[in-house]
Amino acid sequence: DVKVTQSSRYLVKRTGEKVFLECVQDMDHENMFWYRQDPGLGLRLIYFSYDVKMKEKGDIPEGYSVSREKKERFSLILESASTNQTSMYLCASISGTSGSTFTDTQYFGPGTRLTVL
Amino acid sequence: AQSVAQPEDQVNVAEGNPLTVKCTYSVSGNPYLFWYVQYPNRGLQFLLKYITGDNLVKGSYGFEAEFNKSQTSFHLKKPSALVSDSALYFCAVRDLGYSTLTFGKGTMLLVSP
Repeated sequence: DVKVTQSSRYLVKRTGEKVFLECVQDMDHENMFWYRQDPGLGLRLIYFSYDVKMKEKGDIPEGYSVSREKKERFSLILESASTNQTSMYLCASISGTSGSTFTDTQYFGPGTRLTVL
Repeated sequence: AQSVAQPEDQVNVAEGNPLTVKCTYSVSGNPYLFWYVQYPNRGLQFLLKYITGDNLVKGSYGFEAEFNKSQTSFHLKKPSALVSDSALYFCAVRDLGYSTLTFGKGTMLLVSP
């Protein structure tokens, strides 16, 4: 079974702090994603990465950055956390050999519930 | 552009009754459609997907979904609901020209005993 793990289930930070959310997958997947989930808004894509050191902006990248130094690990960084970044953050991965990205299943981690005070 | 709509925020059904969770989509090409379920304080779990072929797709936990191209719909169904099916359900779509999924806003399914 594919396993996607996230470093923390719950996190509480203060406004202005730098926050790191870590995601690791064990299936050698090329593509990894960071979403945030808010009630009534569903899942919104923040950033994704299709290879090591490669990244693409999603729908709501403002206030976030990412890092992918190794294939299995994709980090989301909040440079200066704000209260409006309080949310559930979900990481996902998918295999991405040519042509299969569109049909392959995306697997999710358990999520990190971040509260910024 | 690709988009997906889940017109119901919440669906209520009694245990043992059939359930339907609705999803409609908009794409420019052929759609790839997915259903996911999320239990409280958990990540999303894959239920089923439609890529091509038979319009009726069977998935995990007894769920199935029917792809209807003329109505641009992909409704999730189960013949007999269980209380344990109570969860948040997400429909998602990917058009061939897009590298990412677009998710609906989710539908909360509540199954009463």
